[in-house]
Amino acid sequence: AQKITQTQPGMFVQEKEAVTLDCTYDTSDPSYGLFWYKQPSSGEMIFLIYQGSYDQQNATEGRYSLNFQKARKSANLVISASQLGDSAMYFCAMTPLGAGSYQLTFGKGTKLSVIP
Amino acid sequence: EAEVAQSPRYKITEKSQAVAFWCDPISGHATLYWYRQILGQGPELLVQFQDESVVDDSQLPKDRFSAERLKGVDSTLKIQPAELGDSAMYLCASSREGLAGAGRTDTQYFGPGTRLTVL
Repeated sequence: AQKITQTQPGMFVQEKEAVTLDCTYDTSDPSYGLFWYKQPSSGEMIFLIYQGSYDQQNATEGRYSLNFQKARKSANLVISASQLGDSAMYFCAMTPLGAGSYQLTFGKGTKLSVIP
Repeated sequence: EAEVAQSPRYKITEKSQAVAFWCDPISGHATLYWYRQILGQGPELLVQFQDESVVDDSQLPKDRFSAERLKGVDSTLKIQPAELGDSAMYLCASSREGLAGAGRTDTQYFGPGTRLTVL
């Protein structure tokens, strides 16, 4: 079984500042993938960034980077230079990389509010 | 940019009625997922298709929910009869292919969802 924990129900950040959203996970699978999705109030889940458990480098996608610490089982999302449009729910998710279903297991999310 | 299409965007129904949701995945995506997201929670998988075959429906309440993907392209999720507890966002996602045992996975791309309210 897999479990994702996001301990920050809500976060505030000043526009143009950086913010870190926490994510810890638990799994018995030796190989897994970690994702972050953004969900604006409109409801669509928007893919942001992916990290494989065997990837040597931390993933980066534009203003998004993933601080992956395998020993600590954490996969924190860092957003640099926050913008007003970053205000949304952010979900951390994971999937096993092996035979069978590739269902994503999601955390409960963190609501990010960017302050002008 | 290709997108996952879903309809309707919003649905209000009374309990005991039947409802149906439609999803058209990104062209060429072999794998299709239906998730349910209750307010304040993350999405949870209901059913996964690989082409027209069900890969995982272990969390689908089969007494009232059904899903099909007859030609391996678009998909329909049905609830009959709807209950008050079914009020939620229903999200469809697709990925190019689920590569079992390949040690990697393809990103799942989501549609805009159908927000269901059962009165």
